[in-house]
Amino acid sequence: DAGITQSPRHKVTETGTPVTLRCHQTENHRYMYWYRQDPGHGLRLIHYSYGVKDTDKGEVSDGYSVSRSKTEDFLLTLESATSSQTSVYFCAISEQGWSSPLHFGNGTRLTVT
Amino acid sequence: QQQVKQSPQSLIVQKGGISIINCAYENTAFDYFPWYQQFPGKGPALLIAIRPDVSEKKEGRFTISFNKSAKQFSLHIMDSQPGDSATYFCAASRQAGTALIFGKGTTLSVSS
Repeated sequence: DAGITQSPRHKVTETGTPVTLRCHQTENHRYMYWYRQDPGHGLRLIHYSYGVKDTDKGEVSDGYSVSRSKTEDFLLTLESATSSQTSVYFCAISEQGWSSPLHFGNGTRLTVT
Repeated sequence: QQQVKQSPQSLIVQKGGISIINCAYENTAFDYFPWYQQFPGKGPALLIAIRPDVSEKKEGRFTISFNKSAKQFSLHIMDSQPGDSATYFCAASRQAGTALIFGKGTTLSVSS
């Protein structure tokens, strides 16, 4: 899986609580991404990073924030979890940006009750 | 302008048959068209990709056909096998800075 570890793999949390998902890579790739996957919606980009401390919003960024203090780690935070954020979250990395292959982690299944 | 429309949503093919999944895009500036394959419990993995300077790319049993004028591209899986049963996503992006936009996916089941 291209040296990508997502943690935790599964999480159940209550509405209103903050949640942080972690993505760790060992490939030293510059670009990192967070996607969410929902039935009928495919994969949608939440946030991405093009370097340490360089991040930008994706298509569905409301309610999420990210941080990247080291090349290898990209954190996704749900500031106050809602039921609509129940989803499978995938981290991905790439070497050269949008037109190079994305390598995905195995996902984090998040349930907000 | 940013959408990628994928069809069909699901597909059942007999072993040995040809699986065909279609995608259409709107943004004529897109210049990179990958297909990803996803097995249950795993993240998507790049299967094959094409750029608009060619009309077809083949890798083993997998072929992408690209029609620039129609703004369509398709994935053909020849001699489909039960191990090909997975969800397939088409995607598109522009090297100059457009995020990779995914289609909604096609669930392929190959019956033995």
